[in-house]
Amino acid sequence: AQKVTQAQTEISVVEKEDVTLDCVYETRDTTYYLFWYKQPPSGELVFLIRRNSFDEQNEISGRYSWNFQKSTSSFNFTITASQVVDSAVYFCALGQMTTDSWGKLQFGAGTQVVVTP
Amino acid sequence: EAGVAQSPRYKIIEKRQSVAFWCNPISGHATLYWYQQILGQGPKLLIQFQNNGVVDDSQLPKDRFSAERLKGVDSTLKIQPAKLEDSAVYLCASSPRVGNTEAFFGQGTRLTVV
Repeated sequence: AQKVTQAQTEISVVEKEDVTLDCVYETRDTTYYLFWYKQPPSGELVFLIRRNSFDEQNEISGRYSWNFQKSTSSFNFTITASQVVDSAVYFCALGQMTTDSWGKLQFGAGTQVVVTP
Repeated sequence: EAGVAQSPRYKIIEKRQSVAFWCNPISGHATLYWYQQILGQGPKLLIQFQNNGVVDDSQLPKDRFSAERLKGVDSTLKIQPAKLEDSAVYLCASSPRVGNTEAFFGQGTRLTVV
């Protein structure tokens, strides 16, 4: 069974603080993708990053960075020097690559990030 | 590049009524998804189309929900009859091609069933 757990329901920070969002996933697939999406108050889901299961290299893209550890099934996401515009709900998602479930995304429950000036 | 377009943005109906949502994906995107997002939860996939064929509808409540994607472009999602628990945001997403799981989402239709 596919499952994504985001244990943090809400995180509040003051502007310029770093924010780390936790994500733990479960899957029996050997090949899969992991994603982070942002959902601002306007409602659309905005794609942020994607990693595949055989690339555990952690990277930084601007103010975003991620830590993928296959051994602990975790895919954590960090916003450095947060800004008010980062206030949104952030979703971690697991993408299947099996022939009968190709492209299907399993989302976590989301973490609300509130950044105050 | 225009994004995924959805209409209406908001809809309020009484239980047992019917409702339809429309989605126009990004031009050229072969794959189209409908997700249901209940307040406080992550989106849940209802149905996935590849061109005008259904890839996965295992989580679509087929006794009341139906969806179609004529000509492999626009799609409509219908609920008939609606129940109170159908109150949610219905998100449409599209992705470019086979093997590409990066999905682009519309702003969604917020349905309230009273």
